Amino acid sequence: DADVTQTPRNRITKTGKRIMLECSQTKGHDRMYWYRQDPGLGLRLIYYSFDVKDINKGEISDGYSVSRQAQAKFSLSLESAIPNQTALYFCATSGVERHGYTFGSGTRLTVV
Amino acid sequence: TQLLEQSPQFLSIQEGENLTVYCNSSSVFSSLQWYRQEPGEGPVLLVTVVTGGEVKKLKRLTFQFGDARKDSSLHITAAQPGDTGLYLCAGARGGSTLGRLYFGRGTQLTVWP
Repeated sequence: DADVTQTPRNRITKTGKRIMLECSQTKGHDRMYWYRQDPGLGLRLIYYSFDVKDINKGEISDGYSVSRQAQAKFSLSLESAIPNQTALYFCATSGVERHGYTFGSGTRLTVV
Repeated sequence: TQLLEQSPQFLSIQEGENLTVYCNSSSVFSSLQWYRQEPGEGPVLLVTVVTGGEVKKLKRLTFQFGDARKDSSLHITAAQPGDTGLYLCAGARGGSTLGRLYFGRGTQLTVWP
């Protein structure tokens, strides 16, 4: 099993729908992150959590919300999806600095 | 405003050529990391450099952290088609436990046979 699992891998949804992206990790890390990736814009931080009771906004949190259900689970919700939220979404976790982030395989979301 | 500027954005070269990718900032980082991403997958850590002036080698890849800990470079010798991918640099700002990383926009490398 992968260290960080994201579901679904691909999703097409309609404008205005609520959608949840899920992430679970087996690394035993406290810190988890959600990023979106757009061509030419790199990875932009949406939300991050340093433990179950700690949730922080990133650079582009508008239109998104998160829930940290347990140390291993961190989900991202789009309350009312819009087309410019079409992107590749990555969940990541981190422990000691030199080991870097462990990323999931991503969710490709298309909003039509 | 991008904290880390990566250049070039695109690089297309023939197998066997050498190349260098740059990652620059006006900010100081406690460490600089390099990731490689292949299509359909998440980025994977290649290396972490933590000391100013540090040089690390990973087979044909050489990573350097600037003396002032504001910039880094990745040099690939005798590139191969298997090196094709998106290379991302990322800076951390302190703490033994890794927190938020600041990513560059990436360099898309294509190596032709």
